[in-house]
Amino acid sequence: KAGVTQTPRYLIKTRGQQVTLSCSPISGHRSVSWYQQTPGQGLQFLFEYFSETQRNKGNFPGRFSGRQFSNSRSEMNVSTLELGDSALYLCASSLAGGQRETQYFGPGTRLLVL
Amino acid sequence: AQSVTQLDSQVPVFEEAPVELRCNYSSSVSVYLFWYVQYPNQGLQLLLKYLSGSTLVKGINGFEAEFNKSQTSFHLRKPSVHISDTAEYFCAVSPYNNNDMRFGAGTRLTVKP
Repeated sequence: KAGVTQTPRYLIKTRGQQVTLSCSPISGHRSVSWYQQTPGQGLQFLFEYFSETQRNKGNFPGRFSGRQFSNSRSEMNVSTLELGDSALYLCASSLAGGQRETQYFGPGTRLLVL
Repeated sequence: AQSVTQLDSQVPVFEEAPVELRCNYSSSVSVYLFWYVQYPNQGLQLLLKYLSGSTLVKGINGFEAEFNKSQTSFHLRKPSVHISDTAEYFCAVSPYNNNDMRFGAGTRLTVKP
């Protein structure tokens, strides 16, 4: 089976712009979670989608949003980019999203905001 | 809310030596515990997890961890490390009642020849 894929792998944007990141889960996985990784704040949970519905949400401002499509692919959008949004954005997929399941992570999208 | 403290930000060790990466957590509810590894320019890979049962958990690549409820710890160990174990290691907790996984700040393990 193919692993979790994320596109693009690298992205450069300027302050005030918006960005959309994409995540394709492992075939058959219906849960997709997103994480932000920065040197200062470490790994932080953004949100989780299951069957096209946001099921859990971390403590991030409304500029961060996401959605999931019927084929379980997910997108994450960040509007009005700030310098502090520069980070590695990771997505992870699992069958149904319970904590007892193993999450499989993609390689991440590295976003640089100038 | 939960929190995770990884007591060492960096651990240098020589090849074939044993290693222990320390993790303490705090939580007002019961949690599941995880260790992940991140190689350069890659995502995270699950090493092992504690859900219930035996407090000694064996994972991939020869790693194991022991859950100590009284000390709220979940330390990761390997009896003999290889150069290829050089990576960043993250301890994480997730409460029983939701998917809000909290990660520690990470421990950079460097294995020297």
